[in-house]
Amino acid sequence: AQKVTQAQTEISVVEKEDVTLDCVYETRDTTYYLFWYKQPPSGELVFLIRRNSFDEQNEISGRYSWNFQKSTSSFNFTITASQVVDSAVYFCALRGIIQGAQKLVFGQGTRLTINP
Amino acid sequence: EAGVAQSPRYKIIEKRQSVAFWCNPISGHATLYWYQQILGQGPKLLIQFQNNGVVDDSQLPKDRFSAERLKGVDSTLKIQPAKLEDSAVYLCASSIAPHSYYEQYFGPGTRLTVT
Repeated sequence: AQKVTQAQTEISVVEKEDVTLDCVYETRDTTYYLFWYKQPPSGELVFLIRRNSFDEQNEISGRYSWNFQKSTSSFNFTITASQVVDSAVYFCALRGIIQGAQKLVFGQGTRLTINP
Repeated sequence: EAGVAQSPRYKIIEKRQSVAFWCNPISGHATLYWYQQILGQGPKLLIQFQNNGVVDDSQLPKDRFSAERLKGVDSTLKIQPAKLEDSAVYLCASSIAPHSYYEQYFGPGTRLTVT
C-alpha cells in the first residue's frame, strides 16, 4: 500500500529561524513522484515541488530546500530564515500506481506557524 | 491564466438533504479530480476523470455520491442524502494529463457543513 507519514502535526517557530518538515513514505513502486504542497488559510493547495524516484539530487529554491533520501524513504522540506508568510499547512504527497490508476496520496499535513 | 474555479465556496445543509458542487478546470486540462478533505487530514481522492470518462472512482461512496463531467470540461459532484460525516472541504483539481509527472492545480474548495 502507498502511504505518506508526516509525524509533526504542528510546528511553531519564531521568524528567521530555520525549520524542517519531515516526510516519510511507503511504496512498492519503482517509479513514483513525490510532491510538496502548501495550503494557506485561503484553502487552496499550492504546488511547491515535484521529485521523481530516480532523481535524488537535493533542490534549493530561494529559502526553500528539499532533501530526498531513497535509503530512508524520506523527502524532507526545509525553510531557511522563516517568515510570517510561510505560515500554512504543508502536505507531502506520493503518486505512484495503485490498482492501475495513478493516485495522489497525501500525508496528514504539518501546520507551521511562524511567530513575529 | 485562470485557475480552477469552484462554487459555492461555503454550504450549510441539514443531514438527509442533497447538495451539488461545481468545478471548472483550467482551460485545456483533460484530467479532473475531486478530493474530500476532512478537517485535520490530507485530501483524499474521490474520483478522477479523463475528458468525460471516469478513470478511478474506487473511493467514491457510490450509494450517496455521484459525479459527472458530461462535455469533458465542467464537472459537478453531488451528495444525496448527506450525512454528518460528509462535513469536509471538497477540492477540485485539474492537470494537463493523467500521468503522475504532471502536477495538479487545485481550486479554493467548497466547505460543506452538515448539521
